[in-house]
Amino acid sequence: AQTVTQSQPEMSVQEAETVTLSCTYDTSESDYYLFWYKQPPSRQMILVIRQEAYKQQNATENRFSVNFQKAAKSFSLKISDSQLGDAAMYFCAYRSAVIKAAGNKLTFGGGTRVLVKP
Amino acid sequence: KAGVTQTPRYLIKTRGQQVTLSCSPISGHRSVSWYQQTPGQGLQFLFEYFSETQRNKGNFPGRFSGRQFSNSRSEMNVSTLELGDSALYLCASSLDSQGSGYQETQYFGPGTRLLVL
Repeated sequence: AQTVTQSQPEMSVQEAETVTLSCTYDTSESDYYLFWYKQPPSRQMILVIRQEAYKQQNATENRFSVNFQKAAKSFSLKISDSQLGDAAMYFCAYRSAVIKAAGNKLTFGGGTRVLVKP
Repeated sequence: KAGVTQTPRYLIKTRGQQVTLSCSPISGHRSVSWYQQTPGQGLQFLFEYFSETQRNKGNFPGRFSGRQFSNSRSEMNVSTLELGDSALYLCASSLDSQGSGYQETQYFGPGTRLLVL
């Protein structure tokens, strides 16, 4: 079974600064997908960024970028130019590419709370 | 295009009762997944439905069940409620047009917060 670990329960960042969230995962599969989801106080889960394991290039979405290290099974999220609206819980998630085995099941990490100081 | 909708948004029940939660996926989406979120256990996968069939199931007791209708709307039912069932129940949908789940991203609804007294 796959596991996802987020070792930082909480991170604080000054507005306009950069913060990096860590995520490690354990899997024996070679093909999979990784996601970062944001959950603000409204509790609505919002997709931030996704990464296909077969792609070596790190995904980027505006101020959000990832550092995907497949051999190390590491998938960190960098938030640049932090804004007050970035304050939320961030969850790292894994999804197998073997649909018959796992369907669309997402395995989540425990989450990291991001606080943004004005 | 409207997002994933869940009803009701809040629910209070007592132990022993049963509850039904509803999820309407994004128009055209065929896969619906359910997750339970609690402070202690975090986000846990309940089950997934595709074309009215359960495609995968998490490690939850048989009191938790679900179904999907021909229009892709899904319901989950919890019978004989326990205090530990108090949680935020999240529904997510994905397009999965070919039934393979390939590269499909899941989009979440706002959740149903269930409180069991």
